[in-house]
Amino acid sequence: AQKVTQAQTEISVVEKEDVTLDCVYETRDTTYYLFWYKQPPSGELVFLIRRNSFDEQNEISGRYSWNFQKSTSSFNFTITASQVVDSAVYFCALSEAGNTGNQFYFGTGTSLTVIP
Amino acid sequence: DAGITQSPRHKVTETGTPVTLRCHQTENHRYMYWYRQDPGHGLRLIHYSYGVKDTDKGEVSDGYSVSRSKTEDFLLTLESATSSQTSVYFCATRGQGSEKLFFGSGTQLSVL
Repeated sequence: AQKVTQAQTEISVVEKEDVTLDCVYETRDTTYYLFWYKQPPSGELVFLIRRNSFDEQNEISGRYSWNFQKSTSSFNFTITASQVVDSAVYFCALSEAGNTGNQFYFGTGTSLTVIP
Repeated sequence: DAGITQSPRHKVTETGTPVTLRCHQTENHRYMYWYRQDPGHGLRLIHYSYGVKDTDKGEVSDGYSVSRSKTEDFLLTLESATSSQTSVYFCATRGQGSEKLFFGSGTQLSVL
């Protein structure tokens, strides 16, 4: 079973539109961590945010915001007023604290294209 | 960001040949990981290491082996490369007590 599901394979938006990337996770651990990574066309993986399972407070960082809801096992990512530089593949990931080495499970990614 | 260097950055090889990819880190991180990235599959864990000479398999370990003789180096070996191993390979590290993964720049491997 997929531990992290990103149902949106590709999304296209026009510049300045808001866009939300969905992430649904599955775990039986009570302690876990959720992440978002960005992979721009250049290929590197850039860390965006980490959330632990005990902190459901939403977070905002500039145009980025994250909505963590344990009740629905979701950790969604919203970009407000999108820009062309936001075009990238975005990965959601889960780390379960109970595993040796803390294996990280990644979703299949959402490819976001922002059209100028 | 953690100093993670992957080598080579690009490699083309033939089916049946052995290939070794190297990951070198300068952050003294305890944990190191090898992932492969393929379209439609995201990032999948091949092997990881939780200390010198301590390694374990990930979800797609068949056909791969790893070694970690020093904290800073984590080697991924394809004993006999197959076309299905054509992929982008990422190394990642994580420090003790940290939950954040740092990634290298990736290695594009093509097996013809």
